[in-house]
Amino acid sequence: AQSVTQPDIHITVSEGASLELRCNYSYGATPYLFWYVQSPGQGLQLLLKYFSGDTLVQGIKGFEAEFKRSQSSFNLRKPSVHWSDAAEYFCAVGTGFQKLVFGTGTRLLVSP
Amino acid sequence: DSGVTQTPKHLITATGQRVTLRCSPRSGDLSVYWYQQSLDQGLQFLIQYYNGEERAKGNILERFSAQQFPDLHSELNLSSLELGDSALYFCASSVDYSNGSPLHFGNGTRLTVT
Repeated sequence: AQSVTQPDIHITVSEGASLELRCNYSYGATPYLFWYVQSPGQGLQLLLKYFSGDTLVQGIKGFEAEFKRSQSSFNLRKPSVHWSDAAEYFCAVGTGFQKLVFGTGTRLLVSP
Repeated sequence: DSGVTQTPKHLITATGQRVTLRCSPRSGDLSVYWYQQSLDQGLQFLIQYYNGEERAKGNILERFSAQQFPDLHSELNLSSLELGDSALYFCASSVDYSNGSPLHFGNGTRLTVT
């Protein structure tokens, strides 16, 4: 069965520091991979997606993610974190008909 | 603003009761999805509709049902409510149901069952 693992429940990063959020997936076919962000009281907003082609994908708000098939990973990165990036981040794999299987999320805290 | 509207924002009700959650998809989107977000289960896919027809089912309980109307809005009906049904219920929409279509999420309905 398809699954997504986000091993870090919480991460604290200093403002201005770089960020990497980990995501590993399990899926038999070519995966469709997504990163979503959820701010408190808000719905999920799509940051970026990977379907095929270039394994380094650029998203909104300065985020990027790299698909590594050999490691079954799709880690999210940002070179310099801003306080407004504090939120919960979800990795998801599309399993057909857009049934997204989500990871458990990583809550990002940004310290001054 | 995703363009997906969910009402109500908050709902408090008692066990055994029935509630209806409403979702208006983004203009032009034909596909509607319902997700449940709870602390213990995370984000779980419940059900998907496309242009009025059910396309896919996930971990939706038999006490729950949904439909998509001709104007494309959707309703999720939850009956015989239990304490464990307390959760945030999200609706999302997309243009179609292909894997390439990004989902746009509403802000959710927070259901509290007391």
